Amino acid sequence: SYVLTQPPSVSVAPGQTARLTCGGNNIGSKTVHWYRQRPGQAPGVVVYDDSDRASGIPERFSGSNSGDTATLTISRVEAGDEADYYCQVWDLSSDWVFGGGTKLTVL
Amino acid sequence: EVQLVDSGGGLVQPGRSLRLSCSTSGFTFGDYALSWVRQAPGKGLEWIGFIRDKAYGETTEYAASVEGRFSISRDDSKSIAYLQMNGLKAGDTAVYYCARVQSESLFFDFWGQGTLVTVSS
Repeated sequence: SYVLTQPPSVSVAPGQTARLTCGGNNIGSKTVHWYRQRPGQAPGVVVYDDSDRASGIPERFSGSNSGDTATLTISRVEAGDEADYYCQVWDLSSDWVFGGGTKLTVL
Repeated sequence: EVQLVDSGGGLVQPGRSLRLSCSTSGFTFGDYALSWVRQAPGKGLEWIGFIRDKAYGETTEYAASVEGRFSISRDDSKSIAYLQMNGLKAGDTAVYYCARVQSESLFFDFWGQGTLVTVSS
C-alpha cells in the first residue's frame, strides 16, 4: 500500500512562511491534494491538483510536487492558519490515501 | 450552496450494527460519487469506502479495515448516501464524515460536518 509521510508538527511565527511537506515514493508522479482541519471542524480542501487553490483560499497558500516530496507553502502566516493539514493522493492499489497530518502552530 | 449533513451516530455496543446517513443538497446528487472518511479520536483521516454514481453502476470500494463489515448505498431520489456498519468493534470509534468526490482529480471537494460513533459496552 502507498504511504504518505508528514511531520507531526510545524511551528512558525506570524508573518513568516510555513512549509508543510508530504513524502511518498515518487509522489511527483501522482496528484496531491491538501486539506485543512480546524479544531472541532470537518476538513476542507485548500489546494488540489498539486497547486490549484480551492475557492476562497487566499493566494498565500501554494502547493508544489516533485520527486518524493509535495509541499504546501503558507506565506505570511496568520493566527487563523493554525490547524491540522493533511495531504492526500489516489493510488491504484490503495484508493484514497491520507498522510498522517501536520499540526501547524502559530507562535 | 452545496451541503452534506451527516447523521445517525451514537453509542453502540460491540458486535451491533448502525446505519449512518449523508443528506445532501445544492447539487445534482446522481452525478457524483460519494465517499466516507473517518477520524478516530485524536487521530488522522482514514478513507473507508466510496460509491460510484449511477453512470458507473453505483459500484463500491472499501478499505481493508472495513471490507465485509461495512457497506455503502445511495438513494438518488432522496439525495442521500448511507453507511451500513455491521459487527462494530471498539476500533471503529470515530467521527464519520461523508464527502463528495471530485471524480476528475479524485479528491473530496465538500464534506459533511461528521457524526460521532462510539462503540463501547
